[in-house]
Amino acid sequence: NAGVTQTPKFQVLKTGQSMTLQCAQDMNHEYMSWYRQDPGMGLRLIHYSVGAGITDQGEVPNGYNVSRSTTEDFPLRLLSAAPSQTSVYFCASSFEGGAGEAFFGQGTRLTVV
Amino acid sequence: AQRVTQPEKLLSVFKGAPVELKCNYSYSGSPELFWYVQYSRQRLQLLLRHISRESIKGFTADLNKGETSFHLKKPFAQEEDSAMYYCALRGATNKLIFGTGTLLAVQP
Repeated sequence: NAGVTQTPKFQVLKTGQSMTLQCAQDMNHEYMSWYRQDPGMGLRLIHYSVGAGITDQGEVPNGYNVSRSTTEDFPLRLLSAAPSQTSVYFCASSFEGGAGEAFFGQGTRLTVV
Repeated sequence: AQRVTQPEKLLSVFKGAPVELKCNYSYSGSPELFWYVQYSRQRLQLLLRHISRESIKGFTADLNKGETSFHLKKPFAQEEDSAMYYCALRGATNKLIFGTGTLLAVQP
């Protein structure tokens, strides 16, 4: 069982470039979300989705776009990368809200130079 | 608004000593509270949730609604407990919000 899979694991971008971080889950989870992890800041929610076709903003959405065309996939797009977006990005999914357990991907380490 | 506060960035204890990782929250409704752990080179994983009222790896956490706290405790720390611990809250909007994390270092 693959769980939550993120690609790529590492990426270096130049300022202004665009890219898409991929996230896929095979557990038929309705809820998916993206976080960024920065030293001293913990995990901050970027965007989340409660089902296919439904997305909403988290704590730090600026500079990022998401879409949810299928239950399995929840890509995160950086339209014009900035050095401030250098971070480790985590995707998570859960079967339900409430007390449901969130399962995390292994993370994508992104550096913007 | 949802907010989770973990006041300690680093907690260093000796093996066998008691551990308490503090977590306070701010939320107007009835939240679901969790502790997640990230061991070195591993992905973030659920340690325990308040609704289960269970002990995992010797850790327990009690929800205190009066003090809006959900502190994580273990009576005798082990070296393998060294990790980053995150307290998290989910409210009615289903957003899962994390605190800034506490790095637990258990010295031999």
